[in-house]
Amino acid sequence: QQQVKQSPQSLIVQKGGISIINCAYENTAFDYFPWYQQFPGKGPALLIAIRPDVSEKKEGRFTISFNKSAKQFSLHIMDSQPGDSATYFCAASIKALSNFGNEKLTFGTGTRLTIIP
Amino acid sequence: KAGVTQTPRYLIKTRGQQVTLSCSPISGHRSVSWYQQTPGQGLQFLFEYFSETQRNKGNFPGRFSGRQFSNSRSEMNVSTLELGDSALYLCASRGTPTNYGYTFGSGTRLTVV
Repeated sequence: QQQVKQSPQSLIVQKGGISIINCAYENTAFDYFPWYQQFPGKGPALLIAIRPDVSEKKEGRFTISFNKSAKQFSLHIMDSQPGDSATYFCAASIKALSNFGNEKLTFGTGTRLTIIP
Repeated sequence: KAGVTQTPRYLIKTRGQQVTLSCSPISGHRSVSWYQQTPGQGLQFLFEYFSETQRNKGNFPGRFSGRQFSNSRSEMNVSTLELGDSALYLCASRGTPTNYGYTFGSGTRLTVV
């Protein structure tokens, strides 16, 4: 059962534009929502993450918007650059029943982002 | 500070064989997780180890197993390889399960022929 749905599958944005990737989740027990960036031949790298007690988090050109009632969150990349061309994954995890840390990451299916000059 | 190191980077095996992949976490990290990445299924959780104990396991058959050593290094083993096991196997480490941020290695690309 896919618990995190990600869209679009691919995205082409002009340099300087805004890239927007969306994710929706089903499990209301999720309490941590990271975004990962993956370049070819590399593992995913943590980009930015949010907890459900805030609606927005910004780090440089990257912003996560979080809508708890709609069970949706999105990544906005401002002033997109060719170096941002990569595959982006949203993910989510729940708190462990033992209350010691969080459980596994459940990933979305990924978005291949291409920034054109 | 060295990152997560996975060896080997590439591996070609024949159906029916077994394989062992290795992961050295970031120094000081005691939690190691393994993920399988394929074009069709995306990133799927295999298992997590913390202090040499398996903490969590994903929905994979028993042919997939792992272990963690006292120095936090981890290995995963796949027995009786099938063509569908061809994938990028990623290792991720974090300090403890209370640390939210995972650091991933570059993975081991396994091809089963």
